[in-house]
Amino acid sequence: ETGVTQTPRHLVMGMTNKKSLKCEQHLGHNAMYWYKQSAKKPLELMFVYSLEERVENNSVPSRFSPECPNSSHLFLHLHTLQPEDSALYLCASSQDWTSGSNEQFFGPGTRLTVL
Amino acid sequence: GQNIDQPTEMTATEGAIVQINCTYQTSGFNGLFWYQQHAGEAPTFLSYNVLDGLEEKGRFSSFLSRSKGYSYLLLKELQMKDSASYLCAVMDSNYQLIWGAGTKLIIKP
Repeated sequence: ETGVTQTPRHLVMGMTNKKSLKCEQHLGHNAMYWYKQSAKKPLELMFVYSLEERVENNSVPSRFSPECPNSSHLFLHLHTLQPEDSALYLCASSQDWTSGSNEQFFGPGTRLTVL
Repeated sequence: GQNIDQPTEMTATEGAIVQINCTYQTSGFNGLFWYQQHAGEAPTFLSYNVLDGLEEKGRFSSFLSRSKGYSYLLLKELQMKDSASYLCAVMDSNYQLIWGAGTKLIIKP
């Protein structure tokens, strides 16, 4: 595997379910990110982790819970979601998070549908 | 508040040139990025500008004017595979990327 991978690629869940999204980066980067992408809206940054520590949490509802067990893996735990949470969830990584020139490498995303 | 503006959709002809504009108002500036995103795929990095001027990379060029809060992405010799959304993003003083909603580029034969 190379780059940034995400599983599952598609997920349908009910409002009372609990599920987790997984992201893995094979680039040796120190920073990882979760984004939400809704149709015709800008990417919304949800969480940033640097060296396994959360450094940013952009007022995300508590029904989204991130976990970063090591610098290569990032999870997003989901519980009691709402239909408006249906979106594409993108994971990204970069060498560092405080360097302006660091490009972010994105995974293919998980298409989430909440019924 | 912080804001990135870019056109929602543009149409161009194969072989032609197209310019996609981006204007921004952010808290601080640590660089401007352009990404390409094909439908159903991940965004991929195209360019980074931190100083004023033009950066050229093959068929793609990106321009920045910090005093005007303005950038454009120039695509030359358009190919059908260039049909995609083009995302403008600015890194603010907190090193967070502020994203535009993207410009969907449609290439016609």
